[in-house]
Amino acid sequence: AAGVIQSPRHLIKEKRETATLKCYPIPRHDTVYWYQQGPGQDPQFLISFYEKMQSDKGSIPDRFSAQQFSDYHSELNMSSLELGDSALYFCASSPGTSGGHTYEQYFGPGTRLTVT
Amino acid sequence: AQKITQTQPGMFVQEKEAVTLDCTYDTSDQSYGLFWYKQPSSGEMIFLIYQGSYDEQNATEGRYSLNFQKARKSANLVISASQLGDSAMYFCAMREASRAGNNRKLIWGLGTSLAVNP
Repeated sequence: AAGVIQSPRHLIKEKRETATLKCYPIPRHDTVYWYQQGPGQDPQFLISFYEKMQSDKGSIPDRFSAQQFSDYHSELNMSSLELGDSALYFCASSPGTSGGHTYEQYFGPGTRLTVT
Repeated sequence: AQKITQTQPGMFVQEKEAVTLDCTYDTSDQSYGLFWYKQPSSGEMIFLIYQGSYDEQNATEGRYSLNFQKARKSANLVISASQLGDSAMYFCAMREASRAGNNRKLIWGLGTSLAVNP
């Protein structure tokens, strides 16, 4: 079965550089989420998109922006990178909700960003 | 505010034994979902099991079962017949259902690190 695809898997950047992370959700999933997981920490929700519109926003810095495109893939753009941005960035997709039931989020393998 | 609490930072279990990982939650919503994910040292986040707040029966998936006690707001994960490959970090998470359909983020516990001893 198709899974969530994230690219690149690993990324090394220097301070003040920019980075773009890409996510390709599972086909027919209408919702995409981005999470940031620092070393030894639980994932922190950044932002989500439902049917290409931003649906929720979490602890995403102003230096970061994201969007979902017409083919449902999503990109997380990160500018003026700081050392503290080093983390594992997960994208997850979900088929959404129906009748009050919540559906599981399927995670991609993550992009490990290292800022030096 | 919604919150997930995992009180066991680390757990040890002997291979082939069962282990219970604790999770309690706090929410004011009537409709919500509870999830368990496994994160091995390689980093990927693997979905294990889901329990809906209206589900009357405890969820089971192979060796994983969820001991759902709604009145106590607990959703403990039980792993039967532990295997060496079960050694990983385990996260309990909750997603609240919104009638508007646009507040679906997962709220996470801090995780429990499980080590399976041979």
